[in-house]
Amino acid sequence: AQSVTQLGSHVSVSEGALVLLRCNYSSSVPPYLFWYVQYPNQGLQLLLKYTTGATLVKGINGFEAEFKKSETSFHLTKPSAHMSDAAEYFCAVRTQGGKLIFGQGTELSVKP
Amino acid sequence: DTGVSQDPRHKITKRGQNVTFRCDPISEHNRLYWYRQTLGQGPEFLTYFQNEAQLEKSRLLSDRFSAERPKGSFSTLEIQRTEQGDSAMYLCASSSEVGTGELFFGEGSRLTVL
Repeated sequence: AQSVTQLGSHVSVSEGALVLLRCNYSSSVPPYLFWYVQYPNQGLQLLLKYTTGATLVKGINGFEAEFKKSETSFHLTKPSAHMSDAAEYFCAVRTQGGKLIFGQGTELSVKP
Repeated sequence: DTGVSQDPRHKITKRGQNVTFRCDPISEHNRLYWYRQTLGQGPEFLTYFQNEAQLEKSRLLSDRFSAERPKGSFSTLEIQRTEQGDSAMYLCASSSEVGTGELFFGEGSRLTVL
């Protein structure tokens, strides 16, 4: 069965600092992995996804993530945080049946 | 296309009442998913449809919950005899059967049970 663990329920960074949000997955098959962002009282918006091919994937708003099979990780990074990046971030893995299994989420705060 | 839409966005009800939520997926998507999200948690899978067929239901979906997608287009999620523990955001998402399987989410329906 697939599962996702996000390390750190809250991450706080200063504006302009590096953002690093951690995600580890468990999957018995080659995984499809996703990062979504959620702003207060809104649905989830796709940031980026990994399916096959290049292990470094780029997404919207300057975010990127690297798939590391040996570490079963898919960490999300952004070189320079902006105030507008403050939100909840969810990592997810796709099951063979097609649904997504989500992690618990990481709340990102950005300090001026 | 306007994306996934959900109605109502907010619902306040008293314990014991029935509530129904509606989801209109992206028109060309044949898969539709329902998730529940409580404060500080990730979305939890409830059920999903491919066209009009309900293919999977989570154990979270008690007998008081029922979902339908009668014509393979919009879907409804009904909760009977609501309990305070049902208070949550109910998210609908749709996807295409082919492709990489990313889900497109609506803005959710927030339920508060008093």
